[in-house]
Amino acid sequence: KAGVTQTPRYLIKTRGQQVTLSCSPISGHRSVSWYQQTPGQGLQFLFEYFSETQRNKGNFPGRFSGRQFSNSRSEMNVSTLELGDSALYLCASSLGQALGALHFGNGTRLTVT
Amino acid sequence: SQKIEQNSEALNIQEGKTATLTCNYTNYSPAYLQWYRQDPGRGPVFLLLIRENEKEKRKERLKVTFDTTLKQSLFHITASQPADSATYLCALMEYGNKLVFGAGTILRVKS
Repeated sequence: KAGVTQTPRYLIKTRGQQVTLSCSPISGHRSVSWYQQTPGQGLQFLFEYFSETQRNKGNFPGRFSGRQFSNSRSEMNVSTLELGDSALYLCASSLGQALGALHFGNGTRLTVT
Repeated sequence: SQKIEQNSEALNIQEGKTATLTCNYTNYSPAYLQWYRQDPGRGPVFLLLIRENEKEKRKERLKVTFDTTLKQSLFHITASQPADSATYLCALMEYGNKLVFGAGTILRVKS
């Protein structure tokens, strides 16, 4: 079974631009969660989608948004990029049940200059 | 405020010894706790889950304990190997499917 795939692997953007990151979950997984990882803050929860609906949301500004498609693939968008948005963005999929393990992709490394 | 704390300093041990990593939490009442391993440039990989009513869980060379009175979980790797060198993260389920992670502990196993 293929793992979680995130594209692109690396991105360099300029302040003020916007960016879209993509995540393809493991086949059969209906839940997709997004996390931001930085050296200072560690892994921070952004949001979770289940069957195309946002089920949970973290404490991030409205510039961070996401969506999930009917095939469970998900995208997250960051508008008006700031230098502080530079991070590793990780997507994780699961079956969506409580007690479920998260299966992470290897992330998209975003650098904002 | 809610906190999950893991050893902030790296843990350096000799091959063959047991590594013990700590996860302490405050102002959470988690139903369960998970441990993940993360290698540089890669996403975390799930290792073990332990429920609040379980004291101990084992998987091969790994052992996790969960003390809800002390609000602490211990993660042990016995007979450690250089290949065990990585960052280990503990995570609590806050609500729904939202996992909250600790900052992680770097483990270095020297041969």
